[in-house]
Amino acid sequence: EAQVTQNPRYLITVTGKKLTVTCSQNMNHEYMSWYRQDPGLGLRQIYYSMNVEVTDKGDVPEGYKVSRKEKRNFPLILESPSPNQTSLYFCASRDGTRNEQFFGPGTRLTVL
Amino acid sequence: GEDVEQSLFLSVREGDSSVINCTYTDSSSTYLYWYKQEPGAGLQLLTYIFSNMDMKQDQRLTVLLNKKDKHLSLRIADTQTGDSAIYFCAESIWDDKIIFGKGTRLHILP
Repeated sequence: EAQVTQNPRYLITVTGKKLTVTCSQNMNHEYMSWYRQDPGLGLRQIYYSMNVEVTDKGDVPEGYKVSRKEKRNFPLILESPSPNQTSLYFCASRDGTRNEQFFGPGTRLTVL
Repeated sequence: GEDVEQSLFLSVREGDSSVINCTYTDSSSTYLYWYKQEPGAGLQLLTYIFSNMDMKQDQRLTVLLNKKDKHLSLRIADTQTGDSAIYFCAESIWDDKIIFGKGTRLHILP
């Protein structure tokens, strides 16, 4: 089944404790993105990647890192999480020739 | 900077048509999208339109694009209870940079 998976789905952590949210897709898509969704703010793009080893900042990259060492994986790294990074995070991927983005199920992160 | 605006709420009676409106600011956008998000779920692409098109129809969905006014609308004919969701308008600027609106919550009245 074609899908985008994220882990963990739920995470509660404390300020300053490094964490990684994994994202994996099995569709051989070139493009992958990370978004955060906050009430009243909609979805905002954090980082995106056009292919292996090619990443670029979205609208709200501060406090986040990403890497794209393999085509299928696009982890989101929070080196020192802060409470303002409490949010619902979505990973998405798409094929370079099509316009449909496939979204993962979301990761709800709470930083205390 | 780039911005996508849409109203936050819309209530429609079951069986009527729903029209969700969106305005965007970047005239260089290539594609415009409508996504649907049901409670507790991720986003699902409903439809998209290339920026040189005026209209696209897909079953109950009709997308209208007024490029001069930078206005996009989504019409859902014969609205059903299963259409209750948040609808996001989005524009693709370049590469994979996509700007989303804040979402319109569609509420269906019996």
